Amino acid sequence: GIQVEQSPPDLILQEGANSTLRCNFSDSVNNLQWFHQNPWGQLINLFYIPSGTKQNGRLSATTVATERYSLLYISSSQTTDSGVYFCAVGSSGNTPLVFGKGTRLSVIA
Amino acid sequence: DAGVTQSPTHLIKTRGQQVTLRCSPKSGHDTVSWYQQALGQGPQFIFQYYEEEERQRGNFPDRFSGHQFPNYSSELNVNALLLGDSALYLCASSLGAREAFFGQGTRLTVV
Repeated sequence: GIQVEQSPPDLILQEGANSTLRCNFSDSVNNLQWFHQNPWGQLINLFYIPSGTKQNGRLSATTVATERYSLLYISSSQTTDSGVYFCAVGSSGNTPLVFGKGTRLSVIA
Repeated sequence: DAGVTQSPTHLIKTRGQQVTLRCSPKSGHDTVSWYQQALGQGPQFIFQYYEEEERQRGNFPDRFSGHQFPNYSSELNVNALLLGDSALYLCASSLGAREAFFGQGTRLTVV
C-alpha cells in the first residue's frame, strides 16, 4: 500500500517564527489532507489539497502531486499552534486515508 | 451542523469484555470510516462502511466488527478486549471519497 512519510518528527519554535512541514508519499493520490490534532485528540481539518496551493490565514499548503510531496507552511507561529500535525492521503477511488506518523510542533513563548 | 459526533468520550473496560462505540456522521455524508490511534502513533484504518456494507477493511482481527444503519450512523464493536486495544478510536465521515471529517474520538482503556 501507499507509504506516507512526514518530516521533521519533532519541531520546537519560538513564538513568531515560521516553519515548513513536509509530507512525502509513495504513489499517486486523489485525496490529501492536513490535520492538526489538539491535546484532547480531535483531528481538526486544515486543508483538503490533492494538488495545488491553498491559504487560510497564517497557514498555507502546497501539493506537488507529480513529485509526490506536500508542504504545510505556518507563519508567525503562536503557542496555540502547538500539537501534532498529520498528513493523510488516499490513493484511488474510495481507498481510506493513510496517515503519516505526524510532526509534533511545540511553540514556546 | 453538529459535525461528526462520537459516544462515549471515555470508557474503561476489563480484559475479555466487549465494547460498542457509536458514531453519527456529518449531515449529508454517506461513508463512515473507523480508525484506531495508539499513543504516539498516527491513526490506523480499521474499516469503512458505505450503504450499510463493509466496503474496506484494514489489518485488524475479526474481534473488530461494525455496522452502519440506514441513517448512516455507525457502530464499532470489539469483542474479547485485550490490553493492547487501549487506544483512541476515531470515526470519520465523508461524502464518498471526498474530504473526511473526524469526530472527537472515544478513548478506550482496557484494564
